[in-house]
Amino acid sequence: DGGITQSPKYLFRKEGQNVTLSCEQNLNHDAMYWYRQDPGQGLRLIYYSQIVNDFQKGDIAEGYSVSREKKESFPLTVTSAQKNPTAFYLCASSPYLRGNTGELFFGEGSRLTVL
Amino acid sequence: GENVEQHPSTLSVQEGDSAVIKCTYSDSASNYFPWYKQELGKRPQLIIDIRSNVGEKKDQRIAVTLNKTAKHFSLHITETQPEDSAVYFCAASRLSGGYNKLIFGAGTRLAVHP
Repeated sequence: DGGITQSPKYLFRKEGQNVTLSCEQNLNHDAMYWYRQDPGQGLRLIYYSQIVNDFQKGDIAEGYSVSREKKESFPLTVTSAQKNPTAFYLCASSPYLRGNTGELFFGEGSRLTVL
Repeated sequence: GENVEQHPSTLSVQEGDSAVIKCTYSDSASNYFPWYKQELGKRPQLIIDIRSNVGEKKDQRIAVTLNKTAKHFSLHITETQPEDSAVYFCAASRLSGGYNKLIFGAGTRLAVHP
């Protein structure tokens, strides 16, 4: 069954701790993205990656880090420098645009709560 | 920076009525405008999209219109049903290369009452 898998679905963290959210896709998509969703603010782009070993900052990258060592995987680390990390995090992927629509395929999300 | 504004933030209609959600974008180079639907507790899913070389696109009960001059696009849902209740997001981007850097609006919570 092809798709994007995010884990964990729920995560609690104490202040000052780093936490890593997992995102794996078996759609053979080249590009992957991380968005943050807060009530009333829509989806805001944190980081995106076009190919392996390359990634770019989005609009709200401060306090976050990513890696792209494999095409299938794009983990997000929420560091202690992120001042307001409690949010719903969505990972997405898209195929190379030629011949495709531009659609982003989303995972089911990870809800992070900082205690 | 690039921005997408979406209105209204909430919309309540009776079953069978039409619903209209409007968005404006700031980047005049944007050429791709999708709409995503997110049901409660679920992932966002694409319902319709339009490219800048087209003024209108329709798929059954949903349609999207685009006015490039005004940098404005809208989602129209006709004959609404309770299962249309969800949060709807508009987005805009410049489609090029190997990625699609979508900028999303803040969302519209649509409630369809039986």
